[in-house]
Amino acid sequence: SAVISQKPSRDICQRGTSLTIQCQVDSQVTMMFWYRQQPGQSLTLIATANQGSEATYESGFVIDKFPISRPNLTFSTLTVSNMSPEDSSIYLCSVRTSGAQSTDTQYFGPGTRLTVL
Amino acid sequence: KQEVTQIPAALSVPEGENLVLNCSFTDSAIYNLQWFRQDPGKGLTSLLLIQSSQREQTSGRLNASLDKSSGRSTLYIAASQPGDSATYLCAAPFPLKAAGNKLTFGGGTRVLVKP
Repeated sequence: SAVISQKPSRDICQRGTSLTIQCQVDSQVTMMFWYRQQPGQSLTLIATANQGSEATYESGFVIDKFPISRPNLTFSTLTVSNMSPEDSSIYLCSVRTSGAQSTDTQYFGPGTRLTVL
Repeated sequence: KQEVTQIPAALSVPEGENLVLNCSFTDSAIYNLQWFRQDPGKGLTSLLLIQSSQREQTSGRLNASLDKSSGRSTLYIAASQPGDSATYLCAAPFPLKAAGNKLTFGGGTRVLVKP
């Protein structure tokens, strides 16, 4: 299994500002994922972050708006830039493990609840 | 493209009753399917993972089945308790077993177990 922590757990921000969310994993993982969950909605993948390479963004998400860093195999950050009220969501970090005991199980962090005023 | 659907969107049952949650997917060549629980405003907790070669997986009061031919998975929760109240999500990877495969989520079923 994997234990994931995120900082901050929640924040209230002003329009036009930026927020960086941190994700820490208790083991080394190749792939980390960032998801967004808008109010009342299911999860949508923002990007996949691999260590040593640029993040791969899904349709509708761009690097200028959601820059991602992946400096090592246990840590990643997601920045929500130039925020607007439409960015109010829960942002979740996720990793996938594979092995005999937990093949391809995906684990999620506790989420960061962002409110933009 | 894999599409995942969960019906109903919400479910309310009295305590002690068995819960049956449905998940449908469009691509029967599924690699695996995972069930999650989400409490309000919180992250996701992995409940069960079923591989494509399995027909069911059990953990305590939870049992998940997988029928690839009909494109369905069902999560059974026996003898429901108020603490089971949460949103339950199913998800399948897309594209299949690719290096960057990502999870496609259903919309979730919000469960309320009444004492």
